[in-house]
Amino acid sequence: EDQVTQSPEALRLQEGESSSLNCSYTVSGLRGLFWYRQDPGKGPEFLFTLYSAGEEKEKERLKATLTKKESFLHITAPKPEDSATYLCAVQAGGSNYQLIWGAGTKLIIKP
Amino acid sequence: GAVVSQHPSRVICKSGTSVKIECRSLDFQATTMFWYRQFPKQSLMLMATSNEGSKATYEQGVEKDKFLINHASLTLSTLTVTSAHPEDSSFYICSARVRGHSTDTQYFGPGTRLTVL
Repeated sequence: EDQVTQSPEALRLQEGESSSLNCSYTVSGLRGLFWYRQDPGKGPEFLFTLYSAGEEKEKERLKATLTKKESFLHITAPKPEDSATYLCAVQAGGSNYQLIWGAGTKLIIKP
Repeated sequence: GAVVSQHPSRVICKSGTSVKIECRSLDFQATTMFWYRQFPKQSLMLMATSNEGSKATYEQGVEKDKFLINHASLTLSTLTVTSAHPEDSSFYICSARVRGHSTDTQYFGPGTRLTVL
């Protein structure tokens, strides 16, 4: 069964303290792995798509990496405005473009 | 690019009334849109896939007659919650699919908070 697991559920960091969020997946034929950011009361905001193992993408303080089993979202020197829930989703091969979602990691950056 | 809007952002209605939520792709055409429901502190739950010009595909457990979806144009999909009850209160979010070379990306609207009294 296709499955996505995110860890930790919640992460509290001090401003400037770098860390990583994990997204483990089991899926038949990965077409793409997606990272989104969601602020309270808002829709998810697209961050990255990763297609194959070894791929990396960066945006400001965020860097996403992908292996055959998991993806990491590295956050370098975070700021309070990086506080949000980060969602990971995968699209399986042969799918009808639906996404399989993880439960999310709530990131809190303290000033 | 790839901006999706939803209207209204918040709606409060009485039990038994119907509520329509609009989802628009503002700067692109979307042959496929998705409707999600999200409960507090939970992830997104897919309700249905909406394809322009055809009937929506509903996920298991989602009542077709209660959640009416119409995708009448390449930029507009609507979700109508019929005879709403307090248990229908939730955060409803739509997304629109943008075709890519290797895969497709879903871009989300800002969501609609529905409260049924």
